[in-house]
Amino acid sequence: DIQMTQSPSSLSASVGDRVTITCQASQDISHYLNWYQQKPGKVPKLVIYDASNLETGVPSRFGGSGSGTNFIFTINSLQPEDVATYYCQQYDDVPYTFGQGTKLEIK
Amino acid sequence: EVQLTESGGGLIQPGGSLRLSCAASGFSLSAYTMNWVRQAPGKGLEWISNIDTSSTSKYYADSVKGRFTISRDNTKNSLYLQMTTLRDDDTAIYYCARPNIVGASGAFDIWGQGAMVTVSS
Repeated sequence: DIQMTQSPSSLSASVGDRVTITCQASQDISHYLNWYQQKPGKVPKLVIYDASNLETGVPSRFGGSGSGTNFIFTINSLQPEDVATYYCQQYDDVPYTFGQGTKLEIK
Repeated sequence: EVQLTESGGGLIQPGGSLRLSCAASGFSLSAYTMNWVRQAPGKGLEWISNIDTSSTSKYYADSVKGRFTISRDNTKNSLYLQMTTLRDDDTAIYYCARPNIVGASGAFDIWGQGAMVTVSS
């Protein structure tokens, strides 16, 4: 199985900060990497697909980059409504594994 | 409106069986490879199974292989998850999820609201 290692596991930042989350795959997954946002008590929401594509309707302050084994998720100018847990997920091969999540809080 | 709605969750004793359903509306389920993802209380997301459009290919996570069976009825626009020999660690919210690509794997852009399954004596 492909292991997805996400870091950090938790993060506290101030409104307006730039936030970065990394995700490392245990083997080459090309660009088959997605990022999801899950707010407390809510259903996961797709934010970035195929490593760098912004899902329709998602604010442009969210972004993603990377390929192969190393990926980065970025929020430029953090907003209070961005408080959530963020997960990476690979779909290069089954089982489609998720990272363990990064809980993002406002400082 | 494009929507997925799960049903069939509940409280079940260890060793018991339960069948979850996922009804699609606003789109044709038959065009998509469909997935089940679960989330134990306070834990992360775990992909557990998917099924292709014609039910020819089915895949499972090791944690549920041999105990869970995924199926679909395209005429009813519905997806199912038959769960048997349930264990305490199967307690979770179960989501059905649709990819953003017709007929192939992809990012999950449509999720159901989730069905809670609690395995406890």
